Amino acid sequence: GIQVEQSPPDLILQEGANSTLRCNFSDSVNNLQWFHQNPWGQLINLFYIPSGTKQNGRLSATTVATERYSLLYISSSQTTDSGVYFCAVNETSGSRLTFGEGTQLTVNP
Amino acid sequence: GAGVSQSPRYKVAKRGQDVALRCDPISGHVSLFWYQQALGQGPEFLTYFQNEAQLDKSGLPSDRFFAERPEGSVSTLKIQRTQQEDSAVYLCASSFRRVAGYEQYFGPGTRLTVT
Repeated sequence: GIQVEQSPPDLILQEGANSTLRCNFSDSVNNLQWFHQNPWGQLINLFYIPSGTKQNGRLSATTVATERYSLLYISSSQTTDSGVYFCAVNETSGSRLTFGEGTQLTVNP
Repeated sequence: GAGVSQSPRYKVAKRGQDVALRCDPISGHVSLFWYQQALGQGPEFLTYFQNEAQLDKSGLPSDRFFAERPEGSVSTLKIQRTQQEDSAVYLCASSFRRVAGYEQYFGPGTRLTVT
């Protein structure tokens, strides 16, 4: 099956800093989603981005499907941005989402 | 509108007990998925329904796991004779389209602890 790798596994920032999270995948996909898992375990949809670039406030994402990677940008980070960020993909042959191992982000005040 | 809801939110079971976990998808969503998330890992696929049809159950870890969606809306994941390795968060997701590749929305999960 498809492999999904996220980097870095852990990231510690001071409030106000910017960061880039990366997601590499091993095969063609027809869906790519970024999620934020909050401390209560809820997966919050950030972006549905199988290709192209999207922005939502301080967050933006870019997927280059031909090169099999996606980037999540967080600008002016806040303590409430802390949590685990997951990338998940849907390979073209199936319906399930395959998740990466996540990036644990800690934003300190 | 209302999101995906799951119940119970927490369940403690003694080893060997049967448990049933419920998922209410977003109204009108055709596709429904179950995932299992172990501590410190990403969610892993268990099974997929399109309306009432279970189209993929390849992720179910053993024949003790059973899922159903008899009327194409609410789904139940049942685990028989629970084992300690079944301890995890069970997540339900739904999607509007029947075609693969559409955005999935997740419920808050049920945290199962087997003692």
